[in-house]
Amino acid sequence: DAKTTQPPSMDCAEGRAANLPCNHSTISGNEYVYWYRQIHSQGPQYIIHGLKNNETNEMASLIITEDRKSSTLILPHATLRDTAVYYCIAPPPGGSYIPTFGRGTSLIVHP
Amino acid sequence: GAGVSQSPSNKVTEKGKDVELRCDPISGHTALYWYRQSLGQGLEFLIYFQGNSAPDKSGLPSDRFSAERTGGSVSTLTIQRTQQEDSAVYLCASSLRQDPGNTIYFGEGSWLTVV
Repeated sequence: DAKTTQPPSMDCAEGRAANLPCNHSTISGNEYVYWYRQIHSQGPQYIIHGLKNNETNEMASLIITEDRKSSTLILPHATLRDTAVYYCIAPPPGGSYIPTFGRGTSLIVHP
Repeated sequence: GAGVSQSPSNKVTEKGKDVELRCDPISGHTALYWYRQSLGQGLEFLIYFQGNSAPDKSGLPSDRFSAERTGGSVSTLTIQRTQQEDSAVYLCASSLRQDPGNTIYFGEGSWLTVV
């Protein structure tokens, strides 16, 4: 699976947009970009995924660059409950795959 | 159930005792994963089951750790002769292999404390 690189930490003011970047320059054409988050003391939670087009759901938006070498997860109106570690991964499609979670980005949303 | 269910949610055990942790994956999910996470650390892969294939045990830290999955559904992770360094949250996840990109769904974990 493609290696991903994320900043170790970020902070954001409550109510503002949180933009979390991820670099995946070695991603192949059929590898999706997935985002998960882990709120303290809880299991990781799926957020969103995409292949080429930008995606939006009730939790977040995912912007993928045209060359697919990077992406940005956007939390449009961050709340204190969005404080968590955010993981970006690019697993290969199908087959036997063991997701590897790096250190992710620790997002702190402050009042 | 609707999600991945794990039990017990919390377990305190004495050093040297054996413990069993249970995972009930999402119905129909063929892939099941066990991870552990020590305090302040990242997720460490332990073992992976996929359908009827032989499990990938490459992440098990020692022969004190074992896991089985009966009937392609429920899984049990067993830790024998527990040590204090085994204290961690043990997370189970499942996925539907046919799902493009393999979205995985985690349980809330079993918190193990070895005293």
